[in-house]
Amino acid sequence: GDSVTQMEGPVTLSEEAFLTINCTYTATGYPSLFWYVQYPGEGLQLLLKATKADDKGSNKGFEATYRKETTSFHLEKGSVQVSDSAVYFCALRENTGFQKLVFGTGTRLLVSP
Amino acid sequence: DAGVIQSPRHEVTEMGQEVTLRCKPISGHNSLFWYRQTMMRGLELLIYFNNNVPIDDSGMPEDRFSAKMPNASFSTLKIQPSEPRDSAVYFCASTRSGIANTEAFFGQGTRLTVV
Repeated sequence: GDSVTQMEGPVTLSEEAFLTINCTYTATGYPSLFWYVQYPGEGLQLLLKATKADDKGSNKGFEATYRKETTSFHLEKGSVQVSDSAVYFCALRENTGFQKLVFGTGTRLLVSP
Repeated sequence: DAGVIQSPRHEVTEMGQEVTLRCKPISGHNSLFWYRQTMMRGLELLIYFNNNVPIDDSGMPEDRFSAKMPNASFSTLKIQPSEPRDSAVYFCASTRSGIANTEAFFGQGTRLTVV
């Protein structure tokens, strides 16, 4: 079945450092791809999305590009802030059938001043 | 729209008791997911409804867990009898099917503690 693999955390960075969180997927079709963020004590909320190959999603300084050839959707930010500390989830949604939503295991990001 | 509404936000119960978690999806959404989140296992999909029909319940851990969606605006997840290992945060999410690029919206979750 479809699956999403994320890099293990935690990722620990200093403020203003460059961030990359790797995400790769396995899917039979051409899914839509998402990054969600979960702040402490809260539910998941959408950070960005991309719906077809070569699309770039972006929001709040975060970016991710849908790479069909490498089946990847890596999350990047040029300069992280302490307030970016959270858990980040990569997800895919099938484009066929019942369009199930599949999540990765999440990657915790810790940003220190 | 008020978003996905879950109740209660916190639940503490004794082992062996029945627990019922509730979810009201966003109006117009016809797909609903129940997830469980723990430190050990991360975010697990328990069950998925489409148009009020359970499509995939392979993630339901055992017969003690059951979920219903009697109508488009309400779903419950019941644990009977509850056990300490059921302690977790339970999330409900909703979205529209038929539009694959639409994201799912999550509720704030119910933190369940079984003592």
